[in-house]
Amino acid sequence: DAGITQSPRHKVTETGTPVTLRCHQTENHRYMYWYRQDPGHGLRLIHYSYGVKDTDKGEVSDGYSVSRSKTEDFLLTLESATSSQTSVYFCAISRGGYEQFFGPGTRLTVL
Amino acid sequence: EDKVVQSPLSLVVHEGDTVTLNCSYEVTNFRSLLWYKQEKKAPTFLFMLTSSGIEKKSGRLSSILDKKELFSILNITATQTGDSAVYLCAVGPPTGNQFYFGTGTSLTVIP
Repeated sequence: DAGITQSPRHKVTETGTPVTLRCHQTENHRYMYWYRQDPGHGLRLIHYSYGVKDTDKGEVSDGYSVSRSKTEDFLLTLESATSSQTSVYFCAISRGGYEQFFGPGTRLTVL
Repeated sequence: EDKVVQSPLSLVVHEGDTVTLNCSYEVTNFRSLLWYKQEKKAPTFLFMLTSSGIEKKSGRLSSILDKKELFSILNITATQTGDSAVYLCAVGPPTGNQFYFGTGTSLTVIP
């Protein structure tokens, strides 16, 4: 398995609270991604990074922000969580934009 | 808008059967198509198909890409219960390293 970890693995929070999810890699890959997976929608890209401090939006970026201050860490922040952000969040890494390797996922529930 | 459609949505077969999963796409400036297997956890990479590699095979799994008709198929021969999973197709354009995922095909193999 690619060296990708996500934390926390499970989180329950309340509407309006800030939440930060962490993705950590030991592969030194340049590209990192955050996806959410919901029934009927498959995997949808939230944000991605192509280097330290270089990030860009995906198709469902509203309500989310990201930061990458080190190659190995990519943080996803929900500034004010809403129930519509209840989902499973996957981090992925890639060397050159081709095959992506996924982390174990974080199950987030917003009450 | 870019779009990836997988069919069928779900499939139930008996061990030993052969199955064909479909992925059609409408993605601007297509670069590569990826197949993943997801078993109640993170997706695991199966194949990558590009204009320079339109057919791949690994054991009982094989995949082809038809760039003219904009679709790919994933074949699994002599299915086993361990093949039960959701199979995801993802297509990526040449810039931005963004991949668009289909909603997946859920395969159940009955002993």
